[in-house]
Amino acid sequence: EAGVVQSPRYKIIEKKQPVAFWCNPISGHNTLYWYRQNLGQGPELLIRYENEEAVDDSQLPKDRFSAERLKGVDSTLKIQPAELGDSAVYLCASNGRNTDTQYFGPGTRLTVL
Amino acid sequence: QQPVQSPQAVILREGEDAVINCSSSKALYSVHWYRQKHGEAPVFLMILLKGGEQKGHDKISASFNEKKQQSSLYLTASQLSYSGTYFCGTVHGSGNTGKLIFGQGTTLQVKP
Repeated sequence: EAGVVQSPRYKIIEKKQPVAFWCNPISGHNTLYWYRQNLGQGPELLIRYENEEAVDDSQLPKDRFSAERLKGVDSTLKIQPAELGDSAVYLCASNGRNTDTQYFGPGTRLTVL
Repeated sequence: QQPVQSPQAVILREGEDAVINCSSSKALYSVHWYRQKHGEAPVFLMILLKGGEQKGHDKISASFNEKKQQSSLYLTASQLSYSGTYFCGTVHGSGNTGKLIFGQGTTLQVKP
């Protein structure tokens, strides 16, 4: 069974530029999460989807961050414009029905110059 | 609200044991343990639900003390492959909201 797929794995941009990350969860997993992990810290939840509905986006900085999961499968997280403080690893995770276990993708390492 | 992990870092020799603790100031519904190697995704180890249960597989086990609002991860006869950063993630409240709050991590280094 394929795991959570994320792309790109690395991204370097200049501040004020836009950037987008893509996630394909494990097949059949209806719940999808986006986390941000700063260096030396644990992951912090940005947004959680149940199918195509964002059920918890309370920690998503909505002035510059947006996310979508149009068909309840793949998801895209966007930052526009990026700031220096956005440099971090952006992790996607998913879990299926009737299970609490979240499976993480390899992440996208973003560097904002 | 973030759980507190201790110690922050541990250095072991192969074959030695280690304990990593995770404490919360809020009532816990469940505790999730993950291991992350540098540049890789966090890998799920186990979940413990309230009720004071203990779980384990191979030489890694964990306990959950609901009353003390803490969990401990036990690594026995450590192997080189155990090296990495261990995170506990806590879920609060009376039901599973799916919202994991992670601790700051404990870095474990196993030397030959």
